[in-house]
Amino acid sequence: KAGVTQTPRYLIKTRGQQVTLSCSPISGHRSVSWYQQTPGQGLQFLFEYFSETQRNKGNFPGRFSGRQFSNSRSEMNVSTLELGDSALYLCASSLGPTQIGNTIYFGEGSWLTVV
Amino acid sequence: AQRVTQPEKLLSVFKGAPVELKCNYSYSGSPELFWYVQYSRQRLQLLLRHISRESIKGFTADLNKGETSFHLKKPFAQEEDSAMYYCALSGPGSARQLTFGSGTQLTVLP
Repeated sequence: KAGVTQTPRYLIKTRGQQVTLSCSPISGHRSVSWYQQTPGQGLQFLFEYFSETQRNKGNFPGRFSGRQFSNSRSEMNVSTLELGDSALYLCASSLGPTQIGNTIYFGEGSWLTVV
Repeated sequence: AQRVTQPEKLLSVFKGAPVELKCNYSYSGSPELFWYVQYSRQRLQLLLRHISRESIKGFTADLNKGETSFHLKKPFAQEEDSAMYYCALSGPGSARQLTFGSGTQLTVLP
């Protein structure tokens, strides 16, 4: 069965632009969460979606947003890009929001460089 | 606030030696603890979780609530164990939100 798929894998954007990243969860998984990974801050939770609803949000500015579609695919958007947004953005999926017994599977990530 | 601390950024051991990767957490309640591993050029993957009390690839981890620790251990390290290891925590009410430690890069020397 295919794993979590993220597109694009690599992209370069200019300060002030916006970017949209896409994530396709494992078939049958309805929960999708996003993480930002940087050398300085490590892995930080961005937000989580289940059944097209945002269930949880991390401590990031409003420039970071996301959504989930009826087929569980998810997108995240970052507007007015700043140099500090350069990071690896990881998407993860799981069966559902209940924590016990549900394994979280990660994608390979989207490498974003802001210049 | 929940927090996960991995005090060692880098850890090197020789093949066949025991290895212990430390993880301490702070959480007021009953968290679920995980160890994730990232091999070179591969995606982050779950190694083990405390509720399973299982051994994966020879690794074990015991949750010590008194010391708020979840150290990862293996009695005989192998070269293929070289990877980045992350300890993570998830708490009730936070659904699938994971709080990660900063990670420990393990190198097993021949």
